[in-house]
Amino acid sequence: DVKVTQSSRYLVKRTGEKVFLECVQDMDHENMFWYRQDPGLGLRLIYFSYDVKMKEKGDIPEGYSVSREKKERFSLILESASTNQTSMYLCASREQGPLYNEQFFGPGTRLTVL
Amino acid sequence: AQSVTQPDIHITVSEGASLELRCNYSYGATPYLFWYVQSPGQGLQLLLKYFSGDTLVQGIKGFEAEFKRSQSSFNLRKPSVHWSDAAEYFCAVGLQEYGNKLVFGAGTILRVKS
Repeated sequence: DVKVTQSSRYLVKRTGEKVFLECVQDMDHENMFWYRQDPGLGLRLIYFSYDVKMKEKGDIPEGYSVSREKKERFSLILESASTNQTSMYLCASREQGPLYNEQFFGPGTRLTVL
Repeated sequence: AQSVTQPDIHITVSEGASLELRCNYSYGATPYLFWYVQSPGQGLQLLLKYFSGDTLVQGIKGFEAEFKRSQSSFNLRKPSVHWSDAAEYFCAVGLQEYGNKLVFGAGTILRVKS
């Protein structure tokens, strides 16, 4: 059974803290994605990675960075958390190839920044 | 700008009634089209997708969707809704020319009343 796991389901941090969100997939997928989900806005792409050490900005990269040192792991970093980064964060992975290959999603991390 | 529109934020249907969730996109070419479902506390799960061929697509859980090029639409349907279908539904669109990523609509929350 394919699986994408995220390190935390719920996280509470303070303004200015550095925050790490971890995502691991066990499907040997080349592509991995970080989205944030907000009510009324759907999912918006923050960053994606098409291979180890490769990354590309999505639609809303400001305030975020990413790291992909191993194929199975993709980390999202908030260098200095702010209250407007309170959101649900979803990680996904998919096999390299046609765009119609399915993206598999993790359960999400609900981050609250106080 | 390219966009995906789900006009209905909330829909309520009675159990056993039919369902149609609307999705429109604004792209010049025919994109790849997807419907995902997110049950409470879960990540997203792919219901179905269209990339070529027959414009009526069958998916999991008894859902189907029809691609209408003339209307730039990809509406999701189910003939008889079950209480377990209560969830949030996302339409997503991808175009190879715009990179290795999907654009998601804002989502439609489905409530099922007994």
